[in-house]
Amino acid sequence: QSALTQPPSASGSPGQSVTISCTGTSSDVGGYNYVSWYQHHPGKAPKLMIYEVTKRPSGVPDRFSGSKSGDTASLTVSGLQAEDEADYYCSSYAGSNIGLFGTGTKVTVL
Amino acid sequence: EVQLVESGGGVLRPGGSLRLSCAASGFTFDDYGMTWVRQAPGKGLEWVSTISGNGASTGYADSVKGRFTISRDNAKNSLYLQMNSLRAEDTALYHCARRSSFWGFDPWGQGTLVTVSS
Repeated sequence: QSALTQPPSASGSPGQSVTISCTGTSSDVGGYNYVSWYQHHPGKAPKLMIYEVTKRPSGVPDRFSGSKSGDTASLTVSGLQAEDEADYYCSSYAGSNIGLFGTGTKVTVL
Repeated sequence: EVQLVESGGGVLRPGGSLRLSCAASGFTFDDYGMTWVRQAPGKGLEWVSTISGNGASTGYADSVKGRFTISRDNAKNSLYLQMNSLRAEDTALYHCARRSSFWGFDPWGQGTLVTVSS
């Protein structure tokens, strides 16, 4: 069980877009449409932003979108706002009741 | 309001045991799978374990398999994590979370801190 690979950091100016990748294998990201994304502000509980690759929970702005191609999933944040500055983690089901998280990406709003 | 509150964390020596609890409220507990996720100091999130709504199905990360046991008491709306043979690398903030979809965790509790140190 290896963590999914994310870039350590990403940044953009207010109003711009940023895309975070999450690379796994055919046994996890590539094998199931069960990728979720979490926003984590330090000191607070993580928040679900995307589930089942593309679905947004109620209350999550449509500026957040998810996609997947092969073994790599992506989270795009459009129209960056100051409050989007946080750590972001992907997670994938890996079969047999096993799960994985990504290494995490720190998003900075310049 | 859906709420999850963890308890049971503490400071203990390597080789020790601890049981974490997660009290759930605001939803029909046995309708949902539950999961434990931890975050070591300065590190990222790590999936630890999951259990189905009826408790019949469980899964564990390789790093804890054979040492940790997840369980639930649906009559008490409570989730547990029994941790044995604790190691320094188990030091982390442990969160419980509801599996709101097959693999979406929402919401999360604030966490309970476990410190393993000699």
